[in-house]
Amino acid sequence: SQTIHQWPATLVQPVGSPLSLECTVEGTSNPNLYWYRQAAGRGLQLLFYSVGIGQISSEVPQNLSASRPQDRQFILSSKKLLLSDSGFYLCAWSRTSGETQYFGPGTRLLVL
Amino acid sequence: SQQGEEDPQALSIQEGENATMNCSYKTSINNLQWYRQNSGRGLVHLILIRSNEREKHSGRLRVTLDTSKKSSSLLITASRAADTASYFCATAFGDYKLSFGAGTTVTVRA
Repeated sequence: SQTIHQWPATLVQPVGSPLSLECTVEGTSNPNLYWYRQAAGRGLQLLFYSVGIGQISSEVPQNLSASRPQDRQFILSSKKLLLSDSGFYLCAWSRTSGETQYFGPGTRLLVL
Repeated sequence: SQQGEEDPQALSIQEGENATMNCSYKTSINNLQWYRQNSGRGLVHLILIRSNEREKHSGRLRVTLDTSKKSSSLLITASRAADTASYFCATAFGDYKLSFGAGTTVTVRA
């Protein structure tokens, strides 16, 4: 069966510090991968998606970036965090585009 | 931008009652999906209905889709305390992406 992992679960970082959130998927190959951000009590905002190694599409211009160094690894990064980067970050994967997405447990980020 | 919008924003019902929530969208879709999110957790996929389908069932869940009205409904029958969660509709259109609404928060009272 397939599983998706995210870490860390919770992160408190000062403004201006770097960020690296990791997501890995097990039990499938060549998945589509997604990073979402969810503000408190809100819906999901798609940040990045990837259909293959090294292929990243950005949905929202901001100080975040994403990379896919391996088939089942997706990393969300920032060189300098802003207060507005606080939120709940969710990674997801799907077998094909536009079909069911399977979500990780999420990372709660608080930037102080 | 969000294509799907859920209604109502919040719903409080007694255990054993049915819960109905609606989703409206703006453009043609390939499919529409419903997800559940328990507080502080990731989303869990509930059901996917394709644009050529009108109704789908999964256990106590019933989903309808009316493409002429660009709307969908999710019915949870005989609700339980464990159904307390936020429910999101997501529309699939174009390539690769799902567009999520802001969700309906359901509280089931014992």
